[in-house]
Amino acid sequence: AQSVTQPDIHITVSEGASLELRCNYSYGATPYLFWYVQSPGQGLQLLLKYFSGDTLVQGIKGFEAEFKRSQSSFNLRKPSVHWSDAAEYFCALSDSGGSNYKLTFGKGTLLTVNP
Amino acid sequence: SAVISQKPSRDICQRGTSLTIQCQVDSQVTMMFWYRQQPGQSLTLIATANQGSEATYESGFVIDKFPISRPNLTFSTLTVSNMSPEDSSIYLCSAGYRGSYNEQFFGPGTRLTVL
Repeated sequence: AQSVTQPDIHITVSEGASLELRCNYSYGATPYLFWYVQSPGQGLQLLLKYFSGDTLVQGIKGFEAEFKRSQSSFNLRKPSVHWSDAAEYFCALSDSGGSNYKLTFGKGTLLTVNP
Repeated sequence: SAVISQKPSRDICQRGTSLTIQCQVDSQVTMMFWYRQQPGQSLTLIATANQGSEATYESGFVIDKFPISRPNLTFSTLTVSNMSPEDSSIYLCSAGYRGSYNEQFFGPGTRLTVL
């Protein structure tokens, strides 16, 4: 069965510091991978996605993520965090091989940004 | 992409009553889904809304409790029936296009509180 693990429940960083949010997955092949952000009281916004090809993908708001097959990871990074980045971040995967279109989400990482 | 709206945005309901949540997409999408996000938790897929046929429910969710309709390619409803306080959650609608690597776009969610 496919699964997504986000090891960090809560991360606190200072504004301007770099950020890395971890995501590990379990899947039989290479899945489709996504990072979503949920601001307080809001729905989910797609930050970036990986389907194939270049393992370093760029997203919105200055975020990037790197797919590492050997580590079954898809970590999200940002070089300099802004106070507005405080939110909950979800990693998700989807089946790349068949007709199962649903997303499996990790438990999320809550990001706090200190001034 | 797709822009998704949901109504109502929030509601407070009494135990034993039912609430119907509407999801409207601004374009004809192939896939529509309903998720539940319990307080402080990640997203759990309730069901896939199938146009013109019965929804496909995930393990632990049943049609009598969460009846879903999808009369066309842009609209779906989720009813939460015979509610109890345990149904207090955010309910999110998502949509996507078949052949687009399973990317899903999310609505803003409906925040439900059951007293």
